[in-house]
Amino acid sequence: GAVVSQHPSWVICKSGTSVKIECRSLDFQATTMFWYRQFPKQSLMLMATSNEGSKATYEQGVEKDKFLINHASLTLSTLTVTSAHPEDSSFYICSARTLEDYEQYFGPGTRLTVT
Amino acid sequence: DAKTTQPTSMDCAEGRAANLPCNHSTISGNEYVYWYRQIHSQGPQYIIHGLKNNETNEMASLIITEDRKSSTLILPHATLRDTAVYYCIVRVANFGNEKLTFGTGTRLTIIP
Repeated sequence: GAVVSQHPSWVICKSGTSVKIECRSLDFQATTMFWYRQFPKQSLMLMATSNEGSKATYEQGVEKDKFLINHASLTLSTLTVTSAHPEDSSFYICSARTLEDYEQYFGPGTRLTVT
Repeated sequence: DAKTTQPTSMDCAEGRAANLPCNHSTISGNEYVYWYRQIHSQGPQYIIHGLKNNETNEMASLIITEDRKSSTLILPHATLRDTAVYYCIVRVANFGNEKLTFGTGTRLTIIP
């Protein structure tokens, strides 16, 4: 149980375009989902906390207008990178918190490359 | 959440026990010790967590010192698939504060 999926697993886009990444909790409901970013050889950095039905809370230094987060249902959150630039190339990972034990379970990650 | 200190890297021979230390000298009484690992190009995987008693599950054992200022994750019979970055995190496990702050972790390499 407690499986989290992400789609796509990898994506290449051109500079200036937008790309959407989906995070789904497959076998549980998640009122809270988290989005992380990880650059090569670095640790995970929390970008934002997403609560179902409300606006996301962004960490300091993360541009909310660039990284749009929507958490419209208890099993789906999306991260849209708008007007992507090469410096946005990174590994994006989501996690979902269960209602039963409040633990976080992580998705497999999405590798974004902006050319 | 309290800060943790881990060695940057460790090696362990395949089949031997891997002992990964973590210092968390500023841990508060209501903070748990969590361990996650991240295999290359994958999302983090939960391993184990504990408050003050030693814990064991099918993946690993967690030994927490009596003063709770440090802990050790033990992988009893390491395999090549255990090669990963291991993160020790302390956090309050309640509804109101569930942020996970990842440090740099320990890069564990299992040697054949």
